[in-house]
Amino acid sequence: GAGVSQTPSNKVTEKGKYVELRCDPISGHTALYWYRQSLGQGPEFLIYFQGTGAADDSGLPNDRFFAVRPEGSVSTLKIQRTERGDSAVYLCASSPYGSSYNEQFFGPGTRLTVL
Amino acid sequence: ELKVEQNPLFLSMQEGKNYTIYCNYSTTSDRLYWYRQDPGKSLESLFVLLSNGAVKQEGRLMASLDTKARLSTLHITAAVHDLSATYFCAVGALNFGKGTSLLVTP
Repeated sequence: GAGVSQTPSNKVTEKGKYVELRCDPISGHTALYWYRQSLGQGPEFLIYFQGTGAADDSGLPNDRFFAVRPEGSVSTLKIQRTERGDSAVYLCASSPYGSSYNEQFFGPGTRLTVL
Repeated sequence: ELKVEQNPLFLSMQEGKNYTIYCNYSTTSDRLYWYRQDPGKSLESLFVLLSNGAVKQEGRLMASLDTKARLSTLHITAAVHDLSATYFCAVGALNFGKGTSLLVTP
């Protein structure tokens, strides 16, 4: 079956611009997670959805970052007024259960470059 | 704040040798995950360890969990080049270590 997909695979933008990153989880997975990974680092947790609601958004670095999952499936991570420090690979993962303790299946990531 | 420390961060080893990667964490957790990441690729789940004393093996990799010591190990037996990758542990699913970059050389 299809895995987690993310679009676009690469995004180059200019400082100050707005970007949206999309994640399509595995069908039927109720939990969805966003991480960002900088070069040479492990994934850094951003936000976790259970269904349509954000169960834990403690990892969002500031109010420029926002994520939605309006129908409990596809999720969009939105970044306003991008900064060069936002450059990273943004990873999405999904899991079939509703806890932060469950095995996650990762997508290929979106590489964001802010010039 | 939960801290997850892996060591070593970089490891170069010869084919056929054995080695262990360590994952220490700072607060109690009953679940620990190991992932593999190849360059330019996403993370692939290797092991899910759910209780104290859990041991899982897949091929040349074996993972164990000691919740009392807050320690997990990933043991590599008779390494082969195909094992070259970065290995991450994650505690409570959301908290990742920095990863161990493994290079297996002839």
